[in-house]
Amino acid sequence: GQQLNQSPQSMFIQEGEDVSMNCTSSSIFNTWLWYKQDPGEGPVLLIALYKAGELTSNGRLTAQFGITRKDSFLNISASIPSDVGIYFCAGLTHFGNEKLTFGTGTRLTIIP
Amino acid sequence: DTAVSQTPKYLVTQMGNDKSIKCEQNLGHDTMYWYKQDSKKFLKIMFSYNNKELIINETVPNRFSPKSPDKAHLNLHINSLELGDSAVYFCASSQRGKFEAFFGQGTRLTVV
Repeated sequence: GQQLNQSPQSMFIQEGEDVSMNCTSSSIFNTWLWYKQDPGEGPVLLIALYKAGELTSNGRLTAQFGITRKDSFLNISASIPSDVGIYFCAGLTHFGNEKLTFGTGTRLTIIP
Repeated sequence: DTAVSQTPKYLVTQMGNDKSIKCEQNLGHDTMYWYKQDSKKFLKIMFSYNNKELIINETVPNRFSPKSPDKAHLNLHINSLELGDSAVYFCASSQRGKFEAFFGQGTRLTVV
C-alpha cells in the first residue's frame, strides 16, 4: 500500500529558528494536506495543496506540492512556543476510494 | 460550537466488553470517517461514510461496526474488546469533493 515517510522524525530547535520538514511517497498524490496535532487534541488542518508545483502560505507557514507529485514540504519561519506539536502530511488520490493517507509525523520541540 | 465532537473523551474498559463511541458534526458535511491512532502516533483510516453509506472499510476486524443514523452522526461500536484495541480513535468529516478532513478531539480507549 501507499506509504508516506516524513523527515525528520523529530526536531529540537530554539525559538525564532526556521523549520523545514518534508514528506515523500512511493506513489503519486493529487492533493497534499498538512496537519498539526497538539497533545490530547485531534489534528488541525494547516494548509491544503491541489496542484503540482503549488506554493501556499498561511501566516508563518509555507508548504509546497512537489513537481513529481510524490513529495511535499512544509516550512515554518521564526518559530514560537505554540508551534510545538506533531506535524503530519497527508496525501489523497482522487481515483477510486478517496481516502487520506497520513505520514509518519514530525515532532517539533522548542528548546527554551 | 464544536465542529466535530466525540464522546467519551476517555474510555477505560475490560477485555471482552462491548463499547461504543459517538461522533457528531455540525459542519453540514456529508462524509464522515473513523481513524485510529496507535501508540506511535500513526494515523490510519478505518471507515468512511458518505450520506449514511459505507464507502471505505479498511482491513478492520469485524468486531468494529460503524453506524450512521444520519449524515451528521457516525458512531463506532466495538465488540469483544482486546488489549490491542487500545488507541486513540478520531472521528472526522469532510465535504465530498473538498477532501480536507476536520477532526474531533479523539477518544482514548484503554483496554485492561
